[in-house]
Order: sequence, then structure tokens, then C-alpha cells
Amino acid sequence: SQKIEQNSEALNIQEGKTATLTCNYTNYSPAYLQWYRQDPGRGPVFLLLIRENEKEKRKERLKVTFDTTLKQSLFHITASQPADSATYLCALDMRTGNQFYFGTGTSLTVIP
Amino acid sequence: EAGVTQSPTHLIKTRGQQATLRCSPISGHTSVYWYQQALGLGLQFLLWYDEGEERNRGNFPPRFSGRQFPNYSSELNVNALELEDSALYLCASSLRTGDRAYGYTFGSGTRLTVV
Repeated sequence: SQKIEQNSEALNIQEGKTATLTCNYTNYSPAYLQWYRQDPGRGPVFLLLIRENEKEKRKERLKVTFDTTLKQSLFHITASQPADSATYLCALDMRTGNQFYFGTGTSLTVIP
Repeated sequence: EAGVTQSPTHLIKTRGQQATLRCSPISGHTSVYWYQQALGLGLQFLLWYDEGEERNRGNFPPRFSGRQFPNYSSELNVNALELEDSALYLCASSLRTGDRAYGYTFGSGTRLTVV
């Protein structure tokens, strides 16, 4: 069956450290993988997209890797800040049908 | 520039009633997407509208339906409400042929509670 799994437990890290979130999937072949941030009671906000032929993408303190062999994406936030506390969602884009498949998200808390 | 706007913010309905949720996309966006986010679950794709037509549909029963108006705003209707329909309903918009590098822009959602 098709599955998208993100860190099952909430992630608590100290301010200034690097947070690493995982997104593993089975029985999908996404053309793109996207990461979103969602705050309580709000809609997701797009952060980064990585294509199937890209290994790594960076944007300011964010870094995403994509390994289509392992069927895994890693999302890193360096020099984390309390304002980074939120739920982070990965989304698989199959290219056709404009339908994204979302993971359940990882709750990140950055402790001052 | 205004973002994606959804109304109402909260909606409380009784089981068996109908709910109507509304979405206005970003100006210039022709595609509208509806997702359901139930507590503890990921976002589940409901519907995609573009240029007034339904282009794709998720694995939901027919009592979930919608439409897109000539101004590209959209409406989601849920008939014969069931308790498990309680969720946050999110609308997103994009350019039909937009570069995916910008992802989707989501609204803040409508919290539907069925009692």
C-alpha cells in the first residue's frame, strides 16, 4: 500500500541546534517533493520544492535532500529559533492530476 | 496582494445537514484545490477545479461536491453531514500552468464541526 511517513514523535530541540525532519514514502514515484510549514489553526505555507533529479536544495537556513533510491527526503533547519516551532509537512507531487499527497507532519518545538 | 480567502472561519452543523464552504483564490490564479485535514491525519485531497471544470477528484463519496465560478472562486458542498466530516477544510490556489517551484498557496481554512 502507499504510505508517507514523517517523524512519528514530536521533535524538541535546543535553540541554535540543527533540526532534521524525515519524510519516507513507499509505492510512490513523485516527480517533486515539497515541504510546508503549518501553524495551529492556519493553512500550510510553502517552503521548498525539490525535483526528482535534484539531490539537495537550500534556502537561507533551510536545506532539503531527496533520495529517490531510499525514497526519503530530509529537511534541515540550521541555527533553529523558537519562531521555527510549527508542524512541518512533506508533500509528494506526481506531476499529473495536480494532486499532492501529504504526510501527517512533524511537530517541531525549539526550546529557548 | 490578497491571499487565498476562505469563509466562514468556523461552521457548526448538525448531522444530516448540508454545509457550504467558500474560497476566493489569489488574483490571476485559475486553479482551486480543496483538501480535508481531520485531526491527527494528513491533508487529504478532495477536488481540483480549473477554468470552471472539475479536473480531478480524491477518494471521497459523491456527497462531497463543488463548483468553480467564472471569477474562479469556488464552493465546496458537503451533503448529509456525518460526524466524521468534522475537520479543517483547506482551499489552495495556483496558476494552471504555474511553475511548481512556488507550490500552492493555502487559505487559513474553514473549521467544520458536525454535532
